[in-house]
Amino acid sequence: DAMVIQNPRYQVTQFGKPVTLSCSQTLNHNVMYWYQQKSSQAPKLLFHYYDKDFNNEADTPDNFQSRRPNTSFCFLDIRSPGLGDAAMYLCATSRDQDRYEQYFGPGTRLTVT
Amino acid sequence: ELKVEQNPLFLSMQEGKNYTIYCNYSTTSDRLYWYRQDPGKSLESLFVLLSNGAVKQEGRLMASLDTKARLSTLHITAAVHDLSATYFCAGVPFLTSGTYKYIFGTGTRLKVLA
Repeated sequence: DAMVIQNPRYQVTQFGKPVTLSCSQTLNHNVMYWYQQKSSQAPKLLFHYYDKDFNNEADTPDNFQSRRPNTSFCFLDIRSPGLGDAAMYLCATSRDQDRYEQYFGPGTRLTVT
Repeated sequence: ELKVEQNPLFLSMQEGKNYTIYCNYSTTSDRLYWYRQDPGKSLESLFVLLSNGAVKQEGRLMASLDTKARLSTLHITAAVHDLSATYFCAGVPFLTSGTYKYIFGTGTRLKVLA
């Protein structure tokens, strides 16, 4: 009965080789978030979707893109990963009118070689 | 923009002792969240504090919110080793887009020594 699912859990990619991370949810939540978390740091919001409306953070590099083809799925594309993009990537969801809780997926650990 | 600060950043404590983690935030946030993160894992929701004066308790952890002081605390009672983790607080300002953006504190890495 997993509610927010991320695939893969571990991803190794080569420097400059595009990679896509996947997030799906069974909660039917309107909002989906992508966070980047580096070791010993707080999660950093990259962008979020409110339904189909995309909201990019001002300091999110252009190298990071996202797609949300439907309510259930959201993808994070890293066009040309650099060594500095190695991190844990966390997907989260919330209902737009319900600030009670944000539900996190298990995360994808990205390694760049 | 909302800024959230936690202290201490690191906390090493003996089992059985009590301690408090503090979370200060800079502007209005009428909701405050606490999360736990184990090494290499995702975030687990601990408490959602919805209004001024809210207090919630779960086991050895108790969280409170004072919106006038812009302060939340996470109190640990009689710590045990299993509580070793990183704890994050997060505030939530409303965005004009109609959604909410969770601003995380720096995190407090807690280590409970046997």
